[in-house]
Amino acid sequence: EPEVTQTPSHQVTQMGQEVILRCVPISNHLYFYWYRQILGQKVEFLVSFYNNEISEKSEIFDDQFSVERPDGSNFTLKIRSTKLEDSAMYFCASSVGFGNTIYFGEGSWLTVV
Amino acid sequence: AQKVTQAQTEISVVEKEDVTLDCVYETRDTTYYLFWYKQPPSGELVFLIRRNSFDEQNEISGRYSWNFQKSTSSFNFTITASQVVDSAVYFCALIPLGAGTASKLTFGTGTRLQVTL
Repeated sequence: EPEVTQTPSHQVTQMGQEVILRCVPISNHLYFYWYRQILGQKVEFLVSFYNNEISEKSEIFDDQFSVERPDGSNFTLKIRSTKLEDSAMYFCASSVGFGNTIYFGEGSWLTVV
Repeated sequence: AQKVTQAQTEISVVEKEDVTLDCVYETRDTTYYLFWYKQPPSGELVFLIRRNSFDEQNEISGRYSWNFQKSTSSFNFTITASQVVDSAVYFCALIPLGAGTASKLTFGTGTRLQVTL
């Protein structure tokens, strides 16, 4: 069964460093997303991406964050200068269309020290 | 704005008991989708069900069943004859489909289900 894959599964980084989280969405999907879950809390929307541009972003997704689809398969989330409060599980997700089921990857656990 | 409320923070049951997880939602949109996801201890989010706001038929899938009541804005999830493997955090979520809204899931805070022997 097709699935969303994410790398790395876990990354530890120093405060102020740049981090890139990578994702390969399901191949025939057109909408891509990043969500975040701080330990023990609910899952929060960060950004949605369609047709090579951001379609919506949340207040969390400030200038520190950026997304890119560098080729036909990868979808990346970059955090330019990490802060302690960026420590969280980051989920990549994709859906075939607007309103369709959103399938999540296994998550990338980011720890900022 | 959308809101999803899961009032039960944590539920503990003994194996083979039935358990119902509550979900109440708020949205101004007349068309929307409701979802349930399971997050086992390993951390991934596993899709369980998607329900259209126009379809109020209850659904059963094995030991899982869902009760959608538009009149009370609720979408409750029942596990029959629970098993230890059902132990996880369960999230209810909503996507509105009104004009100008993007395909963005709003999650509830989750209900942690602990099933013991």
